[in-house]
Amino acid sequence: AQRVTQPEKLLSVFKGAPVELKCNYSYSGSPELFWYVQYSRQRLQLLLRHISRESIKGFTADLNKGETSFHLKKPFAQEEDSAMYYCALKSAGNTPLVFGKGTRLSVIA
Amino acid sequence: GAGVSQSPRYKVAKRGQDVALRCDPISGHVSLFWYQQALGQGPEFLTYFQNEAQLDKSGLPSDRFFAERPEGSVSTLKIQRTQQEDSAVYLCASRTGTTYEQYFGPGTRLTVT
Repeated sequence: AQRVTQPEKLLSVFKGAPVELKCNYSYSGSPELFWYVQYSRQRLQLLLRHISRESIKGFTADLNKGETSFHLKKPFAQEEDSAMYYCALKSAGNTPLVFGKGTRLSVIA
Repeated sequence: GAGVSQSPRYKVAKRGQDVALRCDPISGHVSLFWYQQALGQGPEFLTYFQNEAQLDKSGLPSDRFFAERPEGSVSTLKIQRTQQEDSAVYLCASRTGTTYEQYFGPGTRLTVT
């Protein structure tokens, strides 16, 4: 069975501090991993995808197959980063996303 | 162009009533997904369409839930005889047939009293 675990419901950091949002997954095959973000009063939107290996808004995430993790990181948090972050997994083909429960990031000025 | 739209944005139903939730995907998107998001949880898959064909409905929690997409564009999620546990935000997402990104609508918040 596919499962995504985000152990922190809430993460509070000071502006300028590093951020790491944890995500672990359970899947026997080769997954696609994503981070989605939901800012206040906005819809869920894709932040980044592991295959792209890109940095979006200063965020990066590396897929670690050995640890089955896909943690989201940013070296210096900004107030505008405050939002709900969801880690999601997708298996091959036309399959739906499996989401974690989400972590609320609060960046304090 | 416009993104995915959903209506109504909010719906209050008395227990036992039937409700219908509408999703307008992005024009040309062949794939359409419905998710249910309970309070404090992540979205959970309900059902998936490719054009008008419902290819996966394994996530529908009971036979009270029914979804359709008769012309391969607009989709309706119907819940019969609503129960309190059906209270949630219902999200619709669409994507093209060849890309990976799902575009989400704003959701319909259903409250069953």
